[in-house]
Amino acid sequence: DAGVTQSPTHLIKTRGQQVTLRCSPKSGHDTVSWYQQALGQGPQFIFQYYEEEERQRGNFPDRFSGHQFPNYSSELNVNALLLGDSALYLCASSPGSETQYFGPGTRLLVL
Amino acid sequence: AQSVTQLDSQVPVFEEAPVELRCNYSSSVSVYLFWYVQYPNQGLQLLLKYLSGSTLVKSINGFEAEFNKSQTSFHLRKPSVHISDTAEYFCAVSQAQTGANNLFFGTGTRLTVIP
Repeated sequence: DAGVTQSPTHLIKTRGQQVTLRCSPKSGHDTVSWYQQALGQGPQFIFQYYEEEERQRGNFPDRFSGHQFPNYSSELNVNALLLGDSALYLCASSPGSETQYFGPGTRLLVL
Repeated sequence: AQSVTQLDSQVPVFEEAPVELRCNYSSSVSVYLFWYVQYPNQGLQLLLKYLSGSTLVKSINGFEAEFNKSQTSFHLRKPSVHISDTAEYFCAVSQAQTGANNLFFGTGTRLTVIP
């Protein structure tokens, strides 16, 4: 049984560009959450998707948006990239509101 | 609002020695508590969790944590560490009323096991 998978593993962008990160949840999981982990920090909650709707959102600007597909996979989009958006982006999935399991992350570097 | 404080950013310890990683939380409502471990260049792995019931919870690799409501703590302990335990450890909390999948993390403790 595959766990949570994310793509790409690494990404380099320049300021002002847009980026899309992808996540496939663990089999049987219908809820996907996204977290941003800056260097040397703990992960911070961005938002959560359930039944293709954004259910909860953390303290992140509207430049951060997402989508969930009927197969429960999800995308995170970030527009107008800033240097401060450089981080490890983690996707986590869960069956409903139960315990989350994390993917390996996508490391984004904004130059 | 809730917060998590991990008092030690770095903990060096010799192999086979005991270790305690401290975690305190603040919340006005009932909480679920978690410890996650992150090995270099990897995502987070669930180590153990407290949802309800016995306040002492254990992982399969010898770690344990005790939920202390009066002291709002959830410290992680292991009686004898191994080199392979070297990693970053994150304590996290979620509001019980919203479930276990909206996590607020501490800043992490880097455990380094010295041979």
